[in-house]
Amino acid sequence: RKEVEQDPGPFNVPEGATVAFNCTYSNSASQSFFWYRQDCRKEPKLLMSVYSSGNEDGRFTAQLNRASQYISLLIRDSKLSDSATYLCVVNFAGNQFYFGTGTSLTVIP
Amino acid sequence: ETGVTQSPTHLIKTRGQQVTLRCSSQSGHNTVSWYQQALGQGPQFIFQYYREEENGRGNFPPRFSGLQFPNYSSELNVNALELDDSALYLCASSPRWREGNEQFFGPGTRLTVL
Repeated sequence: RKEVEQDPGPFNVPEGATVAFNCTYSNSASQSFFWYRQDCRKEPKLLMSVYSSGNEDGRFTAQLNRASQYISLLIRDSKLSDSATYLCVVNFAGNQFYFGTGTSLTVIP
Repeated sequence: ETGVTQSPTHLIKTRGQQVTLRCSSQSGHNTVSWYQQALGQGPQFIFQYYREEENGRGNFPPRFSGLQFPNYSSELNVNALELDDSALYLCASSPRWREGNEQFFGPGTRLTVL
């Protein structure tokens, strides 16, 4: 079983739509959680950290459910520039980051 | 830009050869992690260095080795290259070793093994 699992998609949504991604993790001792964004043939870039209380950054909202061991990312009012692969990242054992395979999003005009 | 740099950007090697990839961490960051990202996959953790010592290792064979220097820059060495080693190799730095620190990635080195 993989440490972090994501639906690879692809998700194709029209501009202005709301889209949600989920991610599950296997290790209940996981300590910290992140969403990264990766554009084609580029490095991953931190989108946001995910806190137990949930957090929001503009059009992006991240949620953590420790009981069910899943993390979500909600993107409202999708823009063409949101097209990318979104990587769910979980940290446990103090120093190891585990990435999901990524979810591909294409926002269509 | 994250301030993390990697060299070279691209590299072509043949099976059985050895390769060294280099990474300069962001100023003030003393922890460097290396990842392998195969096409269509998420990055896979290779190992991490903190204050010049290996501080955790993923499921990679011993022919993957590394170093960290006093200025916190780092090298990844791969011996006896195999075709499956073809991937994007990413270096990430963070300010100090503790749980929860975000990692900031360099642009990567794309390695092709023929």
